[in-house]
Amino acid sequence: GAGVSQSPSNKVTEKGKDVELRCDPISGHTALYWYRQSLGQGLEFLIYFQGNSAPDKSGLPSDRFSAERTGGSVSTLTIQRTQQEDSAVYLCASSLGTSGQTQYFGPGTRLLVL
Amino acid sequence: SQQGEEDPQALSIQEGENATMNCSYKTSINNLQWYRQNSGRGLVHLILIRSNEREKHSGRLRVTLDTSKKSSSLLITASRAADTASYFCATTRRTGNNRLAFGKGNQVVVIP
Repeated sequence: GAGVSQSPSNKVTEKGKDVELRCDPISGHTALYWYRQSLGQGLEFLIYFQGNSAPDKSGLPSDRFSAERTGGSVSTLTIQRTQQEDSAVYLCASSLGTSGQTQYFGPGTRLLVL
Repeated sequence: SQQGEEDPQALSIQEGENATMNCSYKTSINNLQWYRQNSGRGLVHLILIRSNEREKHSGRLRVTLDTSKKSSSLLITASRAADTASYFCATTRRTGNNRLAFGKGNQVVVIP
């Protein structure tokens, strides 16, 4: 498809388990962003990739969160030892570059930690 | 504190009426963007206005930007039931990596 895709659409997990969320950006987009949307915090920036490197990880809420990007394309956000407060919609976006270009969002992954 | 705090946060209008939403921010920006979100899922990009622009149109959308007041407004003319959604403004800074700072959002309900 032409847009950003994310999988899974929904994920229910038990507290303490690890989860992996996947993002496929638009082909050719070098910049990739992860955001989180929760009821209490609104939309928050998590991490940004330029190519395969992550120059800005400042939004990751704890060391349980990590992300990687391979081949300048697919990215995986991993949450270890999930907690109930990790429940949120995780959104991925991509853009052609970082000079004010529009970011295009995927449909998100809704994570529920029981 | 968060950039992009929209006011009002909830708006209910009749189909055909105009809907106006406001957004304020606190730092110098590179650009400001408006997004729409249906049913709490993916964000759809509506319009981008750069810091050196004052007004921009796209179809039934009109966006204004006042950098002296650090505020923006989004006007939807002749609203339709399909415009029912949450609307967010988001800013990017002049320096940095284009990360978006979002406001709290406006919930708009258009009554048929």
